[in-house]
Amino acid sequence: DQQVKQNSPSLSVQEGRISILNCDYTNSMFDYFLWYKKYPAEGPTFLISISSIKDKNEDGRFTVFLNKSAKHLSLHIVPSQPGDSAVYFCAASANTGGFKTIFGAGTRLFVKA
Amino acid sequence: GAGVSQSPSNKVTEKGKDVELRCDPISGHTALYWYRQSLGQGLEFLIYFQGNSAPDKSGLPSDRFSAERTGGSVSTLTIQRTQQEDSAVYLCASSPGTGRYEQYFGPGTRLTVT
Repeated sequence: DQQVKQNSPSLSVQEGRISILNCDYTNSMFDYFLWYKKYPAEGPTFLISISSIKDKNEDGRFTVFLNKSAKHLSLHIVPSQPGDSAVYFCAASANTGGFKTIFGAGTRLFVKA
Repeated sequence: GAGVSQSPSNKVTEKGKDVELRCDPISGHTALYWYRQSLGQGLEFLIYFQGNSAPDKSGLPSDRFSAERTGGSVSTLTIQRTQQEDSAVYLCASSPGTGRYEQYFGPGTRLTVT
């Protein structure tokens, strides 16, 4: 049972344009959501997060939007840069049951120069 | 400061042998996680340690897998009688665990079972 789903395995975007990565979740107990970026042969690195009490969090070129009623979140990257090419993982955590985090399968982003 | 480190970076072993993978978390982090990433797959949760609480072992795929965390710091993931399907990258992460949920990952150990 996939509690966190990233339905697009890959996304290709032109440099300078907006990249939108999507994530859906099924467990209404999740109250904290995170995005991680992963380059080949490296561990994932934390990118940005959002609490369920918010619907938007922005950090530079990265913005995460949360729609709790739809159980959907998205990561926007504007403007996209070639160095953004990586695999992006969506993750969700619930305060109940400790700090266990469930990751999506990832979306590979290609930013073309 | 130092990040999460893992050793070895690569391990090739024969089917049926036991292997031990080591993780050194960030100093002071109370939460420690193990994940596995098979080729082309996402991150699969294996086990989670939080302070002195009993670990959450719900992700371990079989009783051949076990993990320890000694002194609330270093952790060892042991796979007994390795099988070819155990081949994957094993990732360790740590977290401050005090209401903050961001995890800091190590570079991973690539395990190949021949």
